[in-house]
Amino acid sequence: DAGVIQSPRHEVTEMGQEVTLRCKPISGHDYLFWYRQTMMRGLELLIYFNNNVPIDDSGMPEDRFSAKMPNASFSTLKIQPSEPRDSAVYFCASSLDPGQGSTDTQYFGPGTRLTVL
Amino acid sequence: TQLLEQSPQFLSIQEGENLTVYCNSSSVFSSLQWYRQEPGEGPVLLVTVVTGGEVKKLKRLTFQFGDARKDSSLHITAAQPGDTGLYLCAGAGSNTGKLIFGQGTTLQVKP
Repeated sequence: DAGVIQSPRHEVTEMGQEVTLRCKPISGHDYLFWYRQTMMRGLELLIYFNNNVPIDDSGMPEDRFSAKMPNASFSTLKIQPSEPRDSAVYFCASSLDPGQGSTDTQYFGPGTRLTVL
Repeated sequence: TQLLEQSPQFLSIQEGENLTVYCNSSSVFSSLQWYRQEPGEGPVLLVTVVTGGEVKKLKRLTFQFGDARKDSSLHITAAQPGDTGLYLCAGAGSNTGKLIFGQGTTLQVKP
């Protein structure tokens, strides 16, 4: 089985540009998570979806960030306009519904390394 | 707000040494997971502990969940250079689907 797929793997852009990160979760998973990882702040949860519906977006830093999940197999995280402080590795992860007896194991994609100049 | 504190944040040791990483919280979790992350990759699950006092072993790695389900430890015996990486603990609430991650422990094992 393919794991979580993210694209692009690397993105370099200039301040003010729009950036779109993409994620394909594992088929059959009910939850999708977007994280940001930096040396200073560690792994931060930005937003997560259950059955394509956003459940908690309290980690989204500001209005420049938005995320969508139009269907069960695709999600995007958009930053507009981007700023140098947005430089980080962005991870997407998916999991099964913990109510179905799973133990919340999250399967992470390889990440997108974003550099905003 | 649920928080998980890991210690130490950084650890550099020689091959063959033993080490313990701690993960502590004032909150109770329904389960606690340990992930390992290698450079350029996403975190990968090592183990999940569910019952208070539970001990699980994975080769040279021993994981323990505190009796009160608020803390956990990871002990590595005779560390190898292949153990190098970032170790993250993560606590699960009750059927929320969400995990609370610790800040991580960066381990470097020198040959």
